[in-house]
Amino acid sequence: QKEVEQDPGPLSVPEGAIVSLNCTYSNSAFQYFMWYRQYSRKGPELLMYTYSSGNKEDGRFTAQVDKSSKYISLFIRDSQPSDSATYLCAIPQGAQKLVFGQGTRLTINP
Amino acid sequence: GAGVSQTPSNKVTEKGKYVELRCDPISGHTALYWYRQSLGQGPEFLIYFQGTGAADDSGLPNDRFFAVRPEGSVSTLKIQRTERGDSAVYLCASSYDGLAANTGELFFGEGSRLTVL
Repeated sequence: QKEVEQDPGPLSVPEGAIVSLNCTYSNSAFQYFMWYRQYSRKGPELLMYTYSSGNKEDGRFTAQVDKSSKYISLFIRDSQPSDSATYLCAIPQGAQKLVFGQGTRLTINP
Repeated sequence: GAGVSQTPSNKVTEKGKYVELRCDPISGHTALYWYRQSLGQGPEFLIYFQGTGAADDSGLPNDRFFAVRPEGSVSTLKIQRTERGDSAVYLCASSYDGLAANTGELFFGEGSRLTVL
């Protein structure tokens, strides 16, 4: 079983839709959870991070962690064409490396 | 520079050849990471440097892969006897002081796209 699993999509939605992106993880000891966004032919960039369980909101983006089910989510409200990218969940493993999910390729259609 | 710089941006080579990929991290960042990203996959950890030393090289797939960071700044990833399966985007990232000192923010370069024919 992979440490972090993510549905690769692709996911295509109309502009303005609410988008839900999800990952599951295997190790209940994980405490920090990140979402990275990667535009085509670019490096990933940190979008949001959360610690432990609960929600964190930043503008149109909400990150949610459910530690009881080992499930993390990213919600995008009022999605825009500029949100079209690959979204990667990531979890620090120890102090030295991030373990990434497979990434979900998202397209927002105008 | 303003961000992490990687060269070359694209490299096409033949099976069996030797390849070097260079990473110039953000000035002042002591931690440097190499990741490999195959098509349709997330980045896969290769090696982590703290200063000049390789603190964790557990992700290097075999002894054909080697990386150095002799002066604690620029790093070079070296691949010997390249194979077609080595084709991927090699991403370099840096951070001020490693993951423990912040909350997981790594600053990535745009990657070096390696194609082995």
